[in-house]
Amino acid sequence: QVQLQESGPGLVRPSETLSLTCNVSGDSISRYYWSWIRQSPGKGLEWIGYVYHTGSTKYNPSLKSRVTMSVDSSKNQVSLHLISVTTADTAVYFCTALFWYQQAFNWFDPWGQGTLVTVSS
Amino acid sequence: DFEMTQSPSSLSASVGDRVTINCRASQSISRHLNWYQQKPGRAPKLLIYAASNLQSGVPSRFSGGGSGTDFTLTISNLQREDFATYYCQQSYSASEITFGQGTRLEIK
Repeated sequence: QVQLQESGPGLVRPSETLSLTCNVSGDSISRYYWSWIRQSPGKGLEWIGYVYHTGSTKYNPSLKSRVTMSVDSSKNQVSLHLISVTTADTAVYFCTALFWYQQAFNWFDPWGQGTLVTVSS
Repeated sequence: DFEMTQSPSSLSASVGDRVTINCRASQSISRHLNWYQQKPGRAPKLLIYAASNLQSGVPSRFSGGGSGTDFTLTISNLQREDFATYYCQQSYSASEITFGQGTRLEIK
């Protein structure tokens, strides 16, 4: 059973870069696509993007210009970088596995517990 | 854009009730629809994938249906632990994955 644990700074200054790491355990990191999803306080879920161990990525068009995701297979880690943050980027950030079935259907399972990142000066 | 709209936004029910949550897609997504349950302070949990398939370990009182643009999540014989927020999510467009705004299920 794959397990995910997010880590990173809980406070980021406006205009700086938000950087998070997701530690993957319990299964091969090359078996899944890896995704980041965020949830602003009291709000719904927003897909940020996904990355495969080959380096292939897909990002939410609304965030594409500011987002970079990568996989470090040697460390079993997935990374998220979001540049030029504003207070609107304050959210709980979840790391999750994006499971594909028959190259058509896909779903998010499992999820990490999430980490709160506050953007404030 | 694949906009997902859930109804109702909130719902009050009693233990033992049967409830249905609706999810409508702005365009056809075939059966590429997943449902998640989220409790306060916790990560979402996958309940249903591909519209009607129950995820392993999820109680059989949860069921999903629909195709095209209209989908439902039904919970029969509500239990206390089912009171949570539920989200639908379309996976038809892998380059634009979107969620519904959520339905909060509260105890009456």
